[in-house]
Amino acid sequence: GDSVTQMEGPVTLSEEAFLTINCTYTATGYPSLFWYVQYPGEGLQLLLKATKADDKGSNKGFEATYRKETTSFHLEKGSVQVSDSAVYFCALSPRYNTDKLIFGTGTRLQVFP
Amino acid sequence: DAGVIQSPRHEVTEMGQEVTLRCKPISGHDYLFWYRQTMMRGLELLIYFNNNVPIDDSGMPEDRFSAKMPNASFSTLKIQPSEPRDSAVYFCASSSSGGNYGYTFGSGTRLTVV
Repeated sequence: GDSVTQMEGPVTLSEEAFLTINCTYTATGYPSLFWYVQYPGEGLQLLLKATKADDKGSNKGFEATYRKETTSFHLEKGSVQVSDSAVYFCALSPRYNTDKLIFGTGTRLQVFP
Repeated sequence: DAGVIQSPRHEVTEMGQEVTLRCKPISGHDYLFWYRQTMMRGLELLIYFNNNVPIDDSGMPEDRFSAKMPNASFSTLKIQPSEPRDSAVYFCASSSSGGNYGYTFGSGTRLTVV
């Protein structure tokens, strides 16, 4: 079945460092892809999305490009801030059942001043 | 829009007691999802509804768990009797198009069963 694989955390960075969180997927056809962020004590919030190959989603300085060839949707940010510390979830919506989102296990990001 | 509203935010109960979690989805959204999050198991989909009808409850752990959606603006998740292993954060999410354009999550209910 369709699935999402994320890199293990935690990812620990200093403020202003470059961030990459890897996400790869297995899916039938071309799913829609998402990144969600969960700040401490809160629910998940949609960060960005891409619905077709080569689309780039972006929001709050974060970017991710839908790569069909490598079945990847890596999250990047050029300069992280302490306030970016959170858990990041990659997710996909399968083409065969657009009711659902399939989530990865989440990657915790810790940014230190 | 107030977003997805869950209540209570925190619940502490004794083992064996009945627990009811509540969710008000975003107005106009026709999908509602209940998730459970723990450190050990991550984010698990318990059940989801479309137009107030349960579509998939295969994630409900056992008969002690039940969920209802009596109308488009309200859903409950009930655990009876509760057990310590039910301790988790329970999230409700709603959507106007299933997963295709993403969900909006509530802030969650942190349940502790002692």
